[in-house]
Amino acid sequence: EMQLAESGGGLVNPGGSLRLSCAASGFPFSSYNMNWVRQAPGKGLEWVSSIRAGNNYILYADSVKGRFTISRDNTKNSLFLQMNNLRAGDTAVYFCAKAAADSWFFDLWGRGTLVTVSS
Amino acid sequence: EIVMTQSPATLSVSPGERATLSCRASQSVTSDLAWYQQKPGQSPSLLIYRASTRATGIPARFSGSGSGTEFTLTISSLQSEDFAVYYCQQHNNWPLTFGQGTNVEI
Repeated sequence: EMQLAESGGGLVNPGGSLRLSCAASGFPFSSYNMNWVRQAPGKGLEWVSSIRAGNNYILYADSVKGRFTISRDNTKNSLFLQMNNLRAGDTAVYFCAKAAADSWFFDLWGRGTLVTVSS
Repeated sequence: EIVMTQSPATLSVSPGERATLSCRASQSVTSDLAWYQQKPGQSPSLLIYRASTRATGIPARFSGSGSGTEFTLTISSLQSEDFAVYYCQQHNNWPLTFGQGTNVEI
């Protein structure tokens, strides 16, 4: 069974850092583009960042550019999101999402991990 | 940035009725449009991709149509498990963008 499992969320002060992880299983992780999507409490979905299968193409939403870094370790079937200089507006559930082959829509989602930025 | 606008924000329907949800793009996304369903407390799940192709395991009562800037998700006969929030997403251009969602409620 294909699965994604996020971890690393929690409560952090404004200006602080967190590193999210996503463990993938049940599919050839290295063959697929991967993504982070977030959802603020009671709000809609917002794309955050994407990374191509081969690590050679990375994109960020303007709202996180320069503060967040996406990466992957294909040897460990893992996706990461390093989040620095966190703001209150970054408070959200962060979902790891697998993109369908050769595309950028999301055919598998994790359950999400909650990041709360507050003093 | 391509802005995705969904309407209505809330759709009140009864089980067995037909539901029609709309999604409009601020510029053409050709057929690069996906629909997702999100139930309370759950992560989103893929319903439709490339505007009209049902994802694996999705019942035939869900159908998608449209291209360019106008898209529709139709649920032919609502079942109790279909009450949820539905999002459209364009994957034609960066940044990837979602609509604000349509809440289908009883």
